[in-house]
Amino acid sequence: QSVLTQPPSVSAAPGQKVTISCSGSSSNIGNNYVSWYQQLPGTAPKLLIYDNNKRPSGIPDRFSGSKSGTSATLGITGLQTGDEADYYCGTWDSSLSAGRVFGTGTKVTVL
Amino acid sequence: EVQLVQSGAEVKKPGESLKISCKGSGYSFTSYWIGWVRQMPGKGLEWMGIIYPGDSDTRYSPSFQGQVTISADKSISTAYLQWSSLKASDTAMYYCARSSGYVDYWGQGTLVTVSS
Repeated sequence: QSVLTQPPSVSAAPGQKVTISCSGSSSNIGNNYVSWYQQLPGTAPKLLIYDNNKRPSGIPDRFSGSKSGTSATLGITGLQTGDEADYYCGTWDSSLSAGRVFGTGTKVTVL
Repeated sequence: EVQLVQSGAEVKKPGESLKISCKGSGYSFTSYWIGWVRQMPGKGLEWMGIIYPGDSDTRYSPSFQGQVTISADKSISTAYLQWSSLKASDTAMYYCARSSGYVDYWGQGTLVTVSS
């Protein structure tokens, strides 16, 4: 079981906005940076957001990240059919020997 | 260009051993942690463990400690994930991932199928 909790699914119509939450604790999100990953069907995950709110080169500004306390949020505006995918948060957890942890994952459906 | 290229799909029987690989290129292999991530069919991402090829420091997630072995050969910029006795429940996609605080590069994945 992951220590980071996400909603199983969110949905919205094209052009609308969705937000995905990632809830953790002081041993992970509360004291570490959060990253977000997009996994399109049948493909490897891809980095969307790192260090809470930074976007790698090539990631459109429709994707945004924020963190407050022990929770983080991914926002997607101007939703497109190509955004239909699974999204995962990730961070470091000081209580784990390997350190790294992913969230439970959220399926985004474009209606 | 940074690349992580994994070995091909495998079909094995329960009880067999297996070693899959992940070759890094386009960066200093010894300067970044490389981790292995499991994704069981229809399920989420799970960190299995991680290795620093520079000094072979290796850490495992509790669920995978004793179940797999992670290693690296820095002379050929390759990391490995190994099983000594596969189970049907090891059927999954396995990704290698370059990690600092986050994963910036992923391998393409290796599908492992364990079936009698």
